[in-house]
Amino acid sequence: GAGVSQSPSNKVTEKGKDVELRCDPISGHTALYWYRQSLGQGLEFLIYFQGNSAPDKSGLPSDRFSAERTGGSVSTLTIQRTQQEDSAVYLCASSVGTSGPQETQYFGPGTRLLVL
Amino acid sequence: QKEVEQNSGPLSVPEGAIASLNCTYSDRVSQSFFWYRQYSGKSPELIMSIYSNGDKEDGRFTAQLNKASQYVSLLIRDSQPSDSATYLCAVDSGNTGKLIFGQGTTLQVKP
Repeated sequence: GAGVSQSPSNKVTEKGKDVELRCDPISGHTALYWYRQSLGQGLEFLIYFQGNSAPDKSGLPSDRFSAERTGGSVSTLTIQRTQQEDSAVYLCASSVGTSGPQETQYFGPGTRLLVL
Repeated sequence: QKEVEQNSGPLSVPEGAIASLNCTYSDRVSQSFFWYRQYSGKSPELIMSIYSNGDKEDGRFTAQLNKASQYVSLLIRDSQPSDSATYLCAVDSGNTGKLIFGQGTTLQVKP
């Protein structure tokens, strides 16, 4: 079956511009996560969705970052007024959403964001 | 702040040897522990999960968990060049499934 998909795969933008990243989870998965991976680093949690609600937004770095999920499926992560330190790979993961912390999270291929 | 610590490496082992990867974590209430493999330029892929103290074996991989010492490890037997990758240790944080990741250990298996 289809895995997690993300678009675009690569994005180059100028400092100060807004960008929108998209994640399409595995069909039927109600839990969706966004992580960020800077060069040579581990993954940093950004936000968690269960259905359309976001019970944990604790990892969003600043108010320039926002995310939404509609129809319990596709999610978009928006970064406003991008800064060079926002350059990273943005990874989306989904899981079934019924068993909490023991569930396997399946990762998408990521969006590589470069802010010039 | 909850932390997961790994030696960044690189860890270099000859083909056929046992590779031992280690991870410590700070949050005593964590219950779920994962090892992900990440090839360069690719997304992480789950290779092992462990929830109880002791060993869990799956093929050439063995995960070991010691909650008292807040320590989890991954052993790779009969290491192959295709095992060369970065191995990420991840620990659950709370009951949402949110994962805290270590920075990863780079493994190099030399033919």
